[in-house]
Amino acid sequence: DVKVTQSSRYLVKRTGEKVFLECVQDMDHENMFWYRQDPGLGLRLIYFSYDVKMKEKGDIPEGYSVSREKKERFSLILESASTNQTSMYLCASSLVFRQDGNTIYFGEGSWLTVV
Amino acid sequence: GQNIDQPTEMTATEGAIVQINCTYQTSGFNGLFWYQQHAGEAPTFLSYNVLDGLEEKGRFSSFLSRSKGYSYLLLKELQMKDSASYLCAVRGDGISGGYNKLIFGAGTRLAVHP
Repeated sequence: DVKVTQSSRYLVKRTGEKVFLECVQDMDHENMFWYRQDPGLGLRLIYFSYDVKMKEKGDIPEGYSVSREKKERFSLILESASTNQTSMYLCASSLVFRQDGNTIYFGEGSWLTVV
Repeated sequence: GQNIDQPTEMTATEGAIVQINCTYQTSGFNGLFWYQQHAGEAPTFLSYNVLDGLEEKGRFSSFLSRSKGYSYLLLKELQMKDSASYLCAVRGDGISGGYNKLIFGAGTRLAVHP
């Protein structure tokens, strides 16, 4: 059974704190992604990685950084958390592009509140 | 720009049929996905269309018209457990690593009533 695991389901952090969100997948997927999901805005891509130590900015990278030291693990870092980063964060992984569907698997999400 | 539109909310009655529409304008098209997301849970894959026409999977069907930039998800014999958000997503142009970016709509929240 495929599995994308996000280490923290619910976090409350103070403004200015450094926050780490961890994600691990056990499917040997090359691609990993971080999205945030906000009401009325859908899923927006923050960063993605297509290989170890490789990363690319998504649509809303400002205020975030990422780390991929091992293939199975992709971390999202908020260097100095702000209240507008209160959101639900979804990690996902996939194989390299194939001409078919069902290539992306999501974790269960991490609810972050910044106070 | 890139845009995916779907209704914000819909309600339907148990046992009925509901159609959730999605229109899109994207740079490049490499397939359209529908995901189901229950509150507090991960999105799960429902269907994928890359050619025009209807794809049927049990109680769920998905239709695509590429010339019109339009898709719909059809849910038959609605059950209470179908109450969820339904996300339309388009796979657009290729970017780094061979990955084709998924662009998501805001989702349609479906409430099924007895």
